[in-house]
Amino acid sequence: DGGITQSPKYLFRKEGQNVTLSCEQNLNHDAMYWYRQDPGQGLRLIYYSQIVNDFQKGDIAEGYSVSREKKESFPLTVTSAQKNPTAFYLCASSSGRDKAFFGQGTRLTVV
Amino acid sequence: AQTVTQSQPEMSVQEAETVTLSCTYDTSESDYYLFWYKQPPSRQMILVIRQEAYKQQNATENRFSVNFQKAAKSFSLKISDSQLGDAAMYFCAYRSRWGNNDMRFGAGTRLTVKP
Repeated sequence: DGGITQSPKYLFRKEGQNVTLSCEQNLNHDAMYWYRQDPGQGLRLIYYSQIVNDFQKGDIAEGYSVSREKKESFPLTVTSAQKNPTAFYLCASSSGRDKAFFGQGTRLTVV
Repeated sequence: AQTVTQSQPEMSVQEAETVTLSCTYDTSESDYYLFWYKQPPSRQMILVIRQEAYKQQNATENRFSVNFQKAAKSFSLKISDSQLGDAAMYFCAYRSRWGNNDMRFGAGTRLTVKP
């Protein structure tokens, strides 16, 4: 079945550690996105990529990094520079400018 | 950058009744897409309906319809014959047709359906 797979579903990070969230899609979509969701703030864009080896910062890119070495994969690294990383993270992909398809999300908690 | 505003943090509707969720957006562009997404407790984002700005006809998908007012930059969602399964967070979203290929979301409206 075609879709977007995010892993893990739950992730725990200690203070000062980097963690990487996985996002894989088999929809053959060119564009991929990472959003952060906090209560009462909707979805805020972290990074997006329109093609392989290219990506742009969104509104809240500080403390995050991404790579796009393959069309199918767009991993997000939450670095120790991110002051408040506890949140729900959503990955999405789209073909062209139409609707986006979303993964099931990763809940990151700092312990 | 374009902004999307949902002014109703919470809404409530009686089962089988009709409810309208509001959304406004700010843009200087003339060609774009607008979307409503539903996020149930599972947190999976589900597309409810989409509207292309250059089409004047309001989009409809079964019990869901929109009132698109381009000049007023308004894009409201009407849910008719509300069902218990409609209870969820609803997000309005904007995407440019020709500019930056990102998608902007509002803060969301939590819809409760009372039996």
